[in-house]
Amino acid sequence: KAGVTQTPRYLIKTRGQQVTLSCSPISGHRSVSWYQQTPGQGLQFLFEYFSETQRNKGNFPGRFSGRQFSNSRSEMNVSTLELGDSALYLCASSGSIAGTGELFFGEGSRLTVL
Amino acid sequence: GENVEQHPSTLSVQEGDSAVIKCTYSDSASNYFPWYKQELGKGPQLIIDIRSNVGEKKDQRIAVTLNKTAKHFSLHITETQPEDSAVYFCAGGSYIPTFGRGTSLIVHP
Repeated sequence: KAGVTQTPRYLIKTRGQQVTLSCSPISGHRSVSWYQQTPGQGLQFLFEYFSETQRNKGNFPGRFSGRQFSNSRSEMNVSTLELGDSALYLCASSGSIAGTGELFFGEGSRLTVL
Repeated sequence: GENVEQHPSTLSVQEGDSAVIKCTYSDSASNYFPWYKQELGKGPQLIIDIRSNVGEKKDQRIAVTLNKTAKHFSLHITETQPEDSAVYFCAGGSYIPTFGRGTSLIVHP
């Protein structure tokens, strides 16, 4: 069974630009969550999608957005990039419908904002 | 919302020693407490989890204990090996898990 795939793995952007990250979940998983990982803050929850609907949202500004497609693939977008957006962005899929359950993480997309 | 505190931030042990990582949580409604291991360049991977109706769970060299009254839970790794070196995250919640800030475990051969 293929794991969670995230693309691109690495990218460099400049302040003010926007970026789109992609996540393909494990086949059959309908829940996809996104996390921001930084050395000082650990893993911070961004949002969770289930069957194309955003079910939960973390405490991030509106510049962070996401969506999920009918095949459960998900994208997240960050507009008007700031230096502080430099981080590892992790996507996780879950086969749990109710919520709590194992999260299967991808290897992440490392974003550097210059 | 839930707040999860994790200690220590760094833990250095000799091969064969035991390692203990402790976490506290704030929301008494939290009922699911997973532990994830993150190796360099990889995403976190679940190593063990415990639900609030259980006080202890073991899987070979790792064990997790939960004290609901005190709102704390711990990860115990016995007979540590160099391949146990990684960052470990605890998490807690009743739906979307809130993660601790991580513990960097270093096992010296």
